[in-house]
Formats: sequence, C-alpha cells, structure tokens
Amino acid sequence: NAGVTQTPKFQVLKTGQSMTLQCAQDMNHNSMYWYRQDPGMGLRLIYYSASEGTTDKGEVPNGYNVSRLNKREFSLRLESAAPSQTSVYFCASGGTGVSNEKLFFGSGTQLSVL
Amino acid sequence: QQQVKQSPQSLIVQKGGISIINCAYENTAFDYFPWYQQFPGKGPALLIAIRPDVSEKKEGRFTISFNKSAKQFSLHIMDSQPGDSATYFCAARDSSASKIIFGSGTRLSIRP
Repeated sequence: NAGVTQTPKFQVLKTGQSMTLQCAQDMNHNSMYWYRQDPGMGLRLIYYSASEGTTDKGEVPNGYNVSRLNKREFSLRLESAAPSQTSVYFCASGGTGVSNEKLFFGSGTQLSVL
Repeated sequence: QQQVKQSPQSLIVQKGGISIINCAYENTAFDYFPWYQQFPGKGPALLIAIRPDVSEKKEGRFTISFNKSAKQFSLHIMDSQPGDSATYFCAARDSSASKIIFGSGTRLSIRP
C-alpha cells in the first residue's frame, strides 16, 4: 500500500532551469496539496486541488505552476528555478467532507537551486 | 504573514516532564485544528485533532486544549519520552476554501 508517492527524492538545479515534481496517491482521495518546508517557516501551502479538475493558489504560489492530471496525480512545475526555491517539497492528499481533514504526506523532495 | 502562529520554535524537556506547544489564529472560518508530528527525513503524520465545539481532547499522553474565545489552542504531551523528540506542527482547516494551513513548527527534544 504505497499511499502518497513523490518523485524525485533529491534534485539539484541551476538557476533558470525548469523541472516538474511528480506526486501520485492510491487512496482515491479528492484533494491534493503541495507544501514547501523551510527552517523556521513551517509548512507553507503552494497550491492545492480540492477535486479533480480544480486548482487554487495557496500562501506562496509565485514561481510555481501545477497540473491535476487526473484524480491520482498532481504535479508541481518550476518554470525558471531560483535559489529562493531551495526547499523540501511535500505532496499530500486528503479525502472529501470530514475525511479530507486528515492529510497523508509523501516522503518529500529535497530541492537545491544553485 | 502566518495565519496560524506557533510557539515556541524549539523546546527542550526532561524525560517524564510535560511538553506544551501553543498556537493562535485569527480566521473565524477555521473549523478543524489538527496537530502533526514529523520525524527527520519523513513527511508529517497526523497526531491528534480537535473541532471548536469541544474544549479538550485527549488521546493517550497527548491532549489538545482549545479556547475558542481567545482563538488559541495548545498541545500537551504528558510524561514526555525520548521517542517524542520530533517537530510538531499545529494546523487549521479553512472551511471557506477547503485548505489546511500550518504553523511554523516546534522542534521538541526530550532529554533522558
């Protein structure tokens, strides 16, 4: 039972390069989220998708784009990476109604932008 | 600007002591308040949660105290153990937007 799977686990980019972080869940959840974790800043919401076909901005969306490819998959794209985007990125999913309150997290992607 | 303010940033407690982490919020659309626990190299995992219609919830050694009028809630860990050493996040669900916002985290260390 995989839960939430993120790829890659580690990535090093040069400033200006682009990349896509992949996330897939096998729990048939409707909502999916992307957070970034930085020391002293906690988990900050980048984008989320309350259901298949919808996406919304979170607290820190600038410099990112997302695609809810289907119910299982939610990708995060950095079009032109900047050193300020060095962080640990977590994908999470949750169900609908009262059950969407419990989030299940992936193991994270550690991204360094040089 | 953090919508959920968490303190302290770090906390050291002796084994067997009580660990207390505090959070505050302003948004009245928040209707669900979970706490997550994160170990190094892992994603956060739900520890315990409370709704604003109750003032306290207890699960084993973990208790959430909730003060709706003050818009504050706290996590108490009784008889703290070295295995409780982790980072703890409070969070709140914004019912108007179906999103969950986290606090800045508390790194808890339990000394043997």
